[in-house]
Amino acid sequence: ELKVEQNPLFLSMQEGKNYTIYCNYSTTSDRLYWYRQDPGKSLESLFVLLSNGAVKQEGRLMASLDTKARLSTLHITAAVHDLSATYFCAVNNDMRFGAGTRLTVKP
Amino acid sequence: EAGVAQSPRYKIIEKRQSVAFWCNPISGHATLYWYQQILGQGPKLLIQFQNNGVVDDSQLPKDRFSAERLKGVDSTLKIQPAKLEDSAVYLCASSPGAGPGELFFGEGSRLTVL
Repeated sequence: ELKVEQNPLFLSMQEGKNYTIYCNYSTTSDRLYWYRQDPGKSLESLFVLLSNGAVKQEGRLMASLDTKARLSTLHITAAVHDLSATYFCAVNNDMRFGAGTRLTVKP
Repeated sequence: EAGVAQSPRYKIIEKRQSVAFWCNPISGHATLYWYQQILGQGPKLLIQFQNNGVVDDSQLPKDRFSAERLKGVDSTLKIQPAKLEDSAVYLCASSPGAGPGELFFGEGSRLTVL
């Protein structure tokens, strides 16, 4: 059974700092997705990573995919309060989600 | 373009009662998913449809949950009888292609079972 593991599960960081969220998965997959969820809201697509070595950037967020290592990263640069949310990765095989990383950015 | 529509947004029932949730995906999207999201957890896939056929329902508790997608468009998820542990947000999502892909989510239906 496919397992998707994210770490950390909780992340509190200060504004202006950098950090990386990790998403590991247990079986071969050529695609991976990142989603954002604000409290009380639904999920919003952030990135679609379609192949090994794919890198996507949007504002202060950058996502990458290493299919050989079965690892995706979501890098946050110079965090701002607006990035506070829960971030989920999902693997293409069967669209199963990780547990999420709850990010809080403090002034 | 209209997004994924879900109703009702909120529902409170007592245990052993029944409830139904409705989802209308984005027009033309072939694949439809129902997820259960318990507070503080990631979405758990309940069932995946491609057009009006079931692709994956391995995590659907079939003794109490049922889902259908008539004519390959709208879908209904039913719970009967409900248990306390069914309290969650039920998310519907659709994707344009046949099979897994980027998901577009509805606002969700929040169920509270008392």
